[in-house]
Amino acid sequence: GESVGLHLPTLSVQEGDNSIINCAYSNSASDYFIWYKQESGKGPQFIIDIRSNMDKRQGQRVTVLLNKTVKHLSLQIAATQPGDSAVYFCAVRIYNQGGKLIFGQGTELSVKP
Amino acid sequence: EPEVTQTPSHQVTQMGQEVILRCVPISNHLYFYWYRQILGQKVEFLVSFYNNEISEKSEIFDDQFSVERPDGSNFTLKIRSTKLEDSAMYFCASRTTVQETQYFGPGTRLLVL
Repeated sequence: GESVGLHLPTLSVQEGDNSIINCAYSNSASDYFIWYKQESGKGPQFIIDIRSNMDKRQGQRVTVLLNKTVKHLSLQIAATQPGDSAVYFCAVRIYNQGGKLIFGQGTELSVKP
Repeated sequence: EPEVTQTPSHQVTQMGQEVILRCVPISNHLYFYWYRQILGQKVEFLVSFYNNEISEKSEIFDDQFSVERPDGSNFTLKIRSTKLEDSAMYFCASRTTVQETQYFGPGTRLLVL
């Protein structure tokens, strides 16, 4: 099986600071990793993803880092804005298991103006 | 930008009743998924569907659940005899055959009384 855990259920940062949200997974056969943002009452919104053959991927203000040695994934948000306030989930796909995603518990990010 | 849509946004039903949750995936997507999220918990995989058949299902997806693609645009989840513990947000997701990113709909909030 696979278990996915997040290190902190809540994170509070000052506007303009960088945010780092961490995630750990257990199955070494996990081959694809994805971060979603969920605002209250809405569905998960894709932020960024990374395949297991990479260790870093950058988007606009977001970076995902993957450390397969310790089975750790992180999401970095640069210059965090109030609009970034939401719950962030990491999700993991295990190779050859039909594409299902296994989600972590979520970290609630609060951005103080 | 194309989006996954879901109807209804909210559904209240009596225990033992049948419910059908509807989804319209993004038009060129061929992989479809249902997930659920019990209040305050993480998102859980229910079922994946491709080429008019179920490719994988979780242990939650028992014989009270079924999925169908009745036409070229809709994807439905039916719960035959709802239980109190079926109360949750139900999310539909879809993806293309070449991209791994699953795009989620806004969800249907199901309340079983």
